[in-house]
Amino acid sequence: GIQVEQSPPDLILQEGANSTLRCNFSDSVNNLQWFHQNPWGQLINLFYIPSGTKQNGRLSATTVATERYSLLYISSSQTTDSGVYFCAVETSYDKVIFGPGTSLSVIP
Amino acid sequence: DAMVIQNPRYQVTQFGKPVTLSCSQTLNHNVMYWYQQKSSQAPKLLFHYYDKDFNNEADTPDNFQSRRPNTSFCFLDIRSPGLGDAAMYLCATSRGPGVGGRNEQFFGPGTRLTVL
Repeated sequence: GIQVEQSPPDLILQEGANSTLRCNFSDSVNNLQWFHQNPWGQLINLFYIPSGTKQNGRLSATTVATERYSLLYISSSQTTDSGVYFCAVETSYDKVIFGPGTSLSVIP
Repeated sequence: DAMVIQNPRYQVTQFGKPVTLSCSQTLNHNVMYWYQQKSSQAPKLLFHYYDKDFNNEADTPDNFQSRRPNTSFCFLDIRSPGLGDAAMYLCATSRGPGVGGRNEQFFGPGTRLTVL
């Protein structure tokens, strides 16, 4: 089956720093989403991005489907950005597979 | 606001005592999913419904069952919870493929299950 990898697994940032999170997948996918899981466990939708580039405030994402990767950029990080970032891909037949996540800690 | 609601948010049960978790949605989505998430792990898909069609993941234990009596509601039944079933259970919905446009998943807040 399809494999989804995320890097780095853990990341510690000083408040105000920028970062790039990566998601690699081993086969073609129908779509890709980025989520932020907050400390209470809620998964918050960040981007629905099967291809191309999108921006939302300090966050942006790029998916290069032909090369099977997606990037999530966080600029001017804030302590509220802390949590786990997951990418999730949809293969055929509604099968959704999550990557292992990147745990981000932003320190003041 | 359209949303995905899960009840209860916290559930404590005893080893072997059946438990039911509830999910409802006001998005009128065709697909409803149940995920299990253990500490420091990614959510793992247990099963999903596309309308009334049930799709079980191959490695989902028989101890886990699901019901979808109508479009809005979906239930997760754990027939005989073991200590290893303690986890966060997440419900999600999506329009479904081929409906037109985005097949984006939206998650509820989760139910944290403790097994004593």
